[in-house]
Amino acid sequence: QVQLQESGPGLVKPSQTLSLTCTVSGGSISSGSYYWSWIRQPAGKGLEWVGRIYTSGSTIYNPSLKSRVTMSVDTSKNQFSLNLSSVTAADTAVYYCTRSHSRVAVDYWGQGTLVTVSS
Amino acid sequence: DIVMTQSPDSLAVSLGERATINCKSSQSVLYSSNNKNYLAWYQQKPGQPPKLLIYWASTRASGVPDRFSGSGSGTDFTLTISSLQAEDVAVYYCHQYYTTPETFGQGTKVEIK
Repeated sequence: QVQLQESGPGLVKPSQTLSLTCTVSGGSISSGSYYWSWIRQPAGKGLEWVGRIYTSGSTIYNPSLKSRVTMSVDTSKNQFSLNLSSVTAADTAVYYCTRSHSRVAVDYWGQGTLVTVSS
Repeated sequence: DIVMTQSPDSLAVSLGERATINCKSSQSVLYSSNNKNYLAWYQQKPGQPPKLLIYWASTRASGVPDRFSGSGSGTDFTLTISSLQAEDVAVYYCHQYYTTPETFGQGTKVEIK
């Protein structure tokens, strides 16, 4: 059973960089035709796709965030990461790391981690 | 971006009755080469991540009860819960993964009447 776990600071100051890591267990991040994504959800609101990364390192970002987002993958550690720069209060949300497949969409989700942007 | 619009925003259904949620995309999510609609449905309960219910518009994910069904093609889709159970109280989201940026509907809250 694949499991994903987000980790990182729960509080980030405005204008700083939000950094999160997702650790995948129960299977290799490199196996199968999967890609790995971040999706966020402000409190009481809907879901927003942040972007995805393939184990090759290729990335696709949401254009609404593109200039501020960087994703990376470390296959040796079975992890992938998200950096979001120049954060504001609007970036406060629960951030989910997920596994996706072009056929079945998002089949596994982490439990989510709340990141609050505040001074 | 493809805009996903769900209706209604909320609905209250009696136990054992049918619940129907609609989702409309601003452009087709049907991939002509394989005739598959890249449309998924998720269920989210409070304090939990979403759970995949349906992919390819009508294929139930593993372990999903058969009271959940999806239908539709192109731009118009429906999630039906044939006989609402207490544990089905949740927010339901549609999601297009046809193209990036992937986008979600705003969610539909299902409650017991």
